[in-house]
Amino acid sequence: SQTIHQWPATLVQPVGSPLSLECTVEGTSNPNLYWYRQAAGRGLQLLFYSVGIGQISSEVPQNLSASRPQDRQFILSSKKLLLSDSGFYLCAWSVSGGIGHTIYFGEGSWLTVV
Amino acid sequence: GQQVMQIPQYQHVQEGEDFTTYCNSSTTLSNIQWYKQRPGGHPVFLIQLVKSGEVKKQKRLTFQFGEAKKNSSLHITATQTTDVGTYFCAGPGYSGAGSYQLTFGKGTKLSVIP
Repeated sequence: SQTIHQWPATLVQPVGSPLSLECTVEGTSNPNLYWYRQAAGRGLQLLFYSVGIGQISSEVPQNLSASRPQDRQFILSSKKLLLSDSGFYLCAWSVSGGIGHTIYFGEGSWLTVV
Repeated sequence: GQQVMQIPQYQHVQEGEDFTTYCNSSTTLSNIQWYKQRPGGHPVFLIQLVKSGEVKKQKRLTFQFGEAKKNSSLHITATQTTDVGTYFCAGPGYSGAGSYQLTFGKGTKLSVIP
């Protein structure tokens, strides 16, 4: 069966510090991969998605970036965090080859920028 | 881009009362999905509706897809404290950045008063 792992689960970072959140998926090949952000008490905002290694599409311009160095690995990064980057970050995957497929979320990473 | 609108944003009910959340799209959807996010958790897929007028049940949860495939509803009969969480609908559509994605509504946060 497929599983998705995301880490770290929580982190507190000072403004201006770098960020790296990592996500891996097991049990499937060539998945679509996603990074979402959820501000406190709000909806899901799609940040990045990837349909393959090295293929990243950004949905919202910001100081975050994403990379996919391996088929089942997705990384969210920032060189300098802002206060507004605080939130709940969710990695997710879906099967490749179309739209409307179910999205499976990781357990999320709580980021507090202080 | 295509938006999936969800109402109400919040709902407080007494345990045992019924609950309904509604999802509307300006465009016809090929399918619609529902997710539940428990407090502090990550969204979990509940169900997918594909056919016009489709009705599906999961114990006390009833999901409907409108005849025009532009709206959907989730109805919970006799709510329990375990139903607490945020319910999201999601449908395929074009994002603000122009990509074709599964687009989530902003969710309905359900509170159940014991």
